[in-house]
Amino acid sequence: QSVLTQPPSASGTPGQRVTISCSGGSSNIGSNTVNWYQQVPGTAPKLLIYNSGQRPSGVPDRFSGSRSGTSASLAISGLQSEDEADYYCASWDASLNGPVFGGGTKLTVL
Amino acid sequence: QVHLVQSGAEVKKPGASVRVSCKASGYTFTSYYIHWVRQAPGQGLEWMGIINPSGGSTNYAQKFQGRVTVTRDTSTGTVYMDLSSLRSEDTAVYYCARGTIGAPDEYWGQGTLVTVSS
Repeated sequence: QSVLTQPPSASGTPGQRVTISCSGGSSNIGSNTVNWYQQVPGTAPKLLIYNSGQRPSGVPDRFSGSRSGTSASLAISGLQSEDEADYYCASWDASLNGPVFGGGTKLTVL
Repeated sequence: QVHLVQSGAEVKKPGASVRVSCKASGYTFTSYYIHWVRQAPGQGLEWMGIINPSGGSTNYAQKFQGRVTVTRDTSTGTVYMDLSSLRSEDTAVYYCARGTIGAPDEYWGQGTLVTVSS
């Protein structure tokens, strides 16, 4: 059981907008920022969003993140086939004294 | 360019120990933390521990306390992760990743597959 809860799957058609949620608690998302990572199977994770809503250079602005209370979400607009991957949220947990990851969401582009 | 290059795949017997190395280059080694994250086959990401290369201080996930040790060699810019008393459930890809104390950033190693099998 992951400390952060994500839906196991999500899907959309090309061009659509999809959102992936990440639910936590007061010791993690409620008091700390959230990172989002994209992982294509067989490769290392790639940082998509940091500090809840900022994008590293090179990440398209189709990807956006937000945080409210003890939840966060990742939105992908103009969905493309190359966006098919696993997505993970992560946040520092003050109770565990370390970062925690969500269980991951497998995004399928139909 | 920032690079984190990990050592190669390992096959170990239950009860043995494994050492995975992570050589950093392209940035000031002591300016960023190094995290260790693992991923069992078909599973999600699991944080194991972290080291501050500047002073060598470490912090480990409770699940791995007593079995994992992370060290660094500032002369070579290399971080080592030792995991002992291996069991089949430790079969996973192990990643090192640069970052802040809070989470890994965009630079990850390529991953090292550790297989534990009798």
